[in-house]
Amino acid sequence: AQKVTQAQTEISVVEKEDVTLDCVYETRDTTYYLFWYKQPPSGELVFLIRRNSFDEQNEISGRYSWNFQKSTSSFNFTITASQVVDSAVYFCALSEAGGGSQGNLIFGKGTKLSVKP
Amino acid sequence: DGGITQSPKYLFRKEGQNVTLSCEQNLNHDAMYWYRQDPGQGLRLIYYSQIVNDFQKGDIAEGYSVSREKKESFPLTVTSAQKNPTAFYLCASGTSRYEQYFGPGTRLTVT
Repeated sequence: AQKVTQAQTEISVVEKEDVTLDCVYETRDTTYYLFWYKQPPSGELVFLIRRNSFDEQNEISGRYSWNFQKSTSSFNFTITASQVVDSAVYFCALSEAGGGSQGNLIFGKGTKLSVKP
Repeated sequence: DGGITQSPKYLFRKEGQNVTLSCEQNLNHDAMYWYRQDPGQGLRLIYYSQIVNDFQKGDIAEGYSVSREKKESFPLTVTSAQKNPTAFYLCASGTSRYEQYFGPGTRLTVT
């Protein structure tokens, strides 16, 4: 069965601290995709990144970086030098390539990040 | 501008009434999705459509119905059979590369 677990319900940091959001997934497929989305207070989900299961290279985009490790089924997200604008709920999601539900996303329950000035 | 629009942002209905939530996209995406979000929860899939005139049930389809008559539009009807309709509803559209882009959402309150 496919499942995404975000064990951290809420995290609070002070501005300029680094913070890592954990994501652990379960899937039987060998081909799958992992995503991170940001949901600010306005409610809209903002796409941050997509990785496929064959690409374990870590990725950096500005202050954001992602660590994908198939050996531990984890896809963690780190924000370096956090800012107040990073305050949001962050969702990790999984999509399996096979079967009739191609492209459907399975979401974790989200981690609420609060960055205090 | 390209994007996904959902209207209205806030919707109030009396119990027992059907209500239809609008979702329009001009991204030329084939696939469209409806999700429901409850407080402190992740998103759960209600219905999805990979192509015009075809759609499939997601994990929590009971009490909902959809149509896909045009590529750009995927309205969701919350029927009176839905026992707990108050929630935040998000529509998304996707590319063949498994990327989904979300609309701003509609917050439905049923009293």
